[in-house]
Amino acid sequence: DAKTTQPNSMESNEEEPVHLPCNHSTISGTDYIHWYRQLPSQGPEYVIHGLTSNVNNRMASLAIAEDRKSSTLILHRATLRDAAVYYCILRDVLTGGNQFYFGTGTSLTVIP
Amino acid sequence: EPEVTQTPSHQVTQMGQEVILRCVPISNHLYFYWYRQILGQKVEFLVSFYNNEISEKSEIFDDQFSVERPDGSNFTLKIRSTKLEDSAMYFCASSEQGPASNEKLFFGSGTQLSVL
Repeated sequence: DAKTTQPNSMESNEEEPVHLPCNHSTISGTDYIHWYRQLPSQGPEYVIHGLTSNVNNRMASLAIAEDRKSSTLILHRATLRDAAVYYCILRDVLTGGNQFYFGTGTSLTVIP
Repeated sequence: EPEVTQTPSHQVTQMGQEVILRCVPISNHLYFYWYRQILGQKVEFLVSFYNNEISEKSEIFDDQFSVERPDGSNFTLKIRSTKLEDSAMYFCASSEQGPASNEKLFFGSGTQLSVL
């Protein structure tokens, strides 16, 4: 599976936008970019995914670079409940099987 | 909103004992998974299950582990003879669309297994 690189930790002030980066320079043309988050003492939670185009949903936006070698998860207005570990995962079932490979993610701290 | 439920939330057992972790996936989902997370470590895939059989398993999922869908709603993970290193948070997950590159997994809140 293609690797992703994320900062270990980030901080954000409450009610401000947060941009969580992810580098995936070895991404293949068929890899989908997924973001999950894990709140304290909870299971991972789906946030968003995309292939080439930017994506928006009620939780977040996903901005994908034109060359697809990086992406950014955007939380438009951070709340205290957004404090979590955010995982950027590449997925291509043809090469990577059924598994989601969770890395170490980015631990987001939201400051009141 | 539908959710994956897991019971119990905490399970304490003695080394060598059998444990069964239970999960109720989202009702219209057909693909089921178990993941685990040892304290301070990554979330790791154990097994995927579809149509009453294992579709994929990791190296962690050895002969001590088994999965079953005993009825139309439950999905269980059995550890036959627990070891200290089995202590972890075990997460059940389900999906509607199955192994596809754009699949969305829905996870439960986990069962914390402590082996003494």
